[in-house]
Amino acid sequence: NAGVMQNPRHLVRRRGQEARLRCSPMKGHSHVYWYRQLPEEGLKFMVYLQKENIIDESGMPKERFSAEFPKEGPSILRIQQVVRGDSAAYFCASSISKNEQFFGPGTRLTVL
Amino acid sequence: KQEVTQIPAALSVPEGENLVLNCSFTDSAIYNLQWFRQDPGKGLTSLLLIQSSQREQTSGRLNASLDKSSGRSTLYIAASQPGDSATYLCAGLMETSGSRLTFGEGTQLTVNP
Repeated sequence: NAGVMQNPRHLVRRRGQEARLRCSPMKGHSHVYWYRQLPEEGLKFMVYLQKENIIDESGMPKERFSAEFPKEGPSILRIQQVVRGDSAAYFCASSISKNEQFFGPGTRLTVL
Repeated sequence: KQEVTQIPAALSVPEGENLVLNCSFTDSAIYNLQWFRQDPGKGLTSLLLIQSSQREQTSGRLNASLDKSSGRSTLYIAASQPGDSATYLCAGLMETSGSRLTFGEGTQLTVNP
């Protein structure tokens, strides 16, 4: 059973470009979470999704950020018009229910 | 609002020493607590999960305890090894905050050979 998969592992964007981060949960997991780790800071919750539904997006910036978890395919975290402050490690986690969360290796976004 | 604090922020010990990492949380209505390990530039590896109804969990040389009334959890590492060097994170899942984990800042552990 493969773990949580994230790609790309590293992503470089120039200011104003779009960043798309992908997450494939563990097999059988229908709950997906996105967290952000800014440099020298702890992990902060961004958004929680179940298949085709956003359950809790209270940790996600209101502008430029969006997330989806379609019926087929991976979950996508999309950042439009990136700024330098978006540079961070973005981690995806999945779970079967409200229980143990398993994390992917992360996508490290660098905005030039 | 739940806050999670980890003390110390950094710890350096000689190989073979037993050690304790501390985690405290402000809201006792905790559903479960997870301990993770994070290596530099890597993702998080789940080490132990303690449900609110449990007092401790053990896996190999690791033992984690949970005391809801005092708002504390500890991670005990026995006979530490250089390979244990990493950042250890605790994260609480609250009964009232849906499914979001609230993380502490982590303890950076270095085990010297």
